[in-house]
Amino acid sequence: GENVEQHPSTLSVQEGDSAVIKCTYSDSASNYFPWYKQELGKRPQLIIDIRSNVGEKKDQRIAVTLNKTAKHFSLHITETQPEDSAVYFCAPRGWAGSYQLTFGKGTKLSVIP
Amino acid sequence: NAGVTQTPKFQVLKTGQSMTLQCAQDMNHNSMYWYRQDPGMGLRLIYYSASEGTTDKGEVPNGYNVSRLNKREFSLRLESAAPSQTSVYFCASSLGDTQYFGPGTRLTVL
Repeated sequence: GENVEQHPSTLSVQEGDSAVIKCTYSDSASNYFPWYKQELGKRPQLIIDIRSNVGEKKDQRIAVTLNKTAKHFSLHITETQPEDSAVYFCAPRGWAGSYQLTFGKGTKLSVIP
Repeated sequence: NAGVTQTPKFQVLKTGQSMTLQCAQDMNHNSMYWYRQDPGMGLRLIYYSASEGTTDKGEVPNGYNVSRLNKREFSLRLESAAPSQTSVYFCASSLGDTQYFGPGTRLTVL
């Protein structure tokens, strides 16, 4: 199965600074790379995703970059705000014929006002 | 549109008791999933159903059974609960890549 590692496990930034979370995966057949955000006590929600034929995708203050050769992808959040405080999960899809996702263990982001 | 709903929200069981967690979606999604979330462990897939009438094991299926009752409903059953099954359980559904999660069930097994 897919092995997924996320780094760092916790991250504290000052409001307005940038945050970067990295996810490495093992399955070279992986072709879909989403990031989910989970606020305290809430359900996970998709915030951005990228497919294997694209190197970068941006949506306002968040972006995802993919390096298929090195088998890692990263979440970038610019101009962080207190409402960005949450746990973020990467969840690459390891087998092209399945919709199964393998979730990383999560990164707890704290944005300090 | 309620999205994905789960019942109950909270449950306390004694070791050896059985229970069924219910999940329903009104988005006409083909695929449904059951995950458990433990502190520091992310979400781990228990079982999934790619389409009505099919179910498959995920990463951590031991101690659980599932039923895809129809396209809308996917239930998770604990036949003989153990303290190791204390967790938050999330149901999710998808039509394509994006998974939509329910609000979760917090289960404690004493």
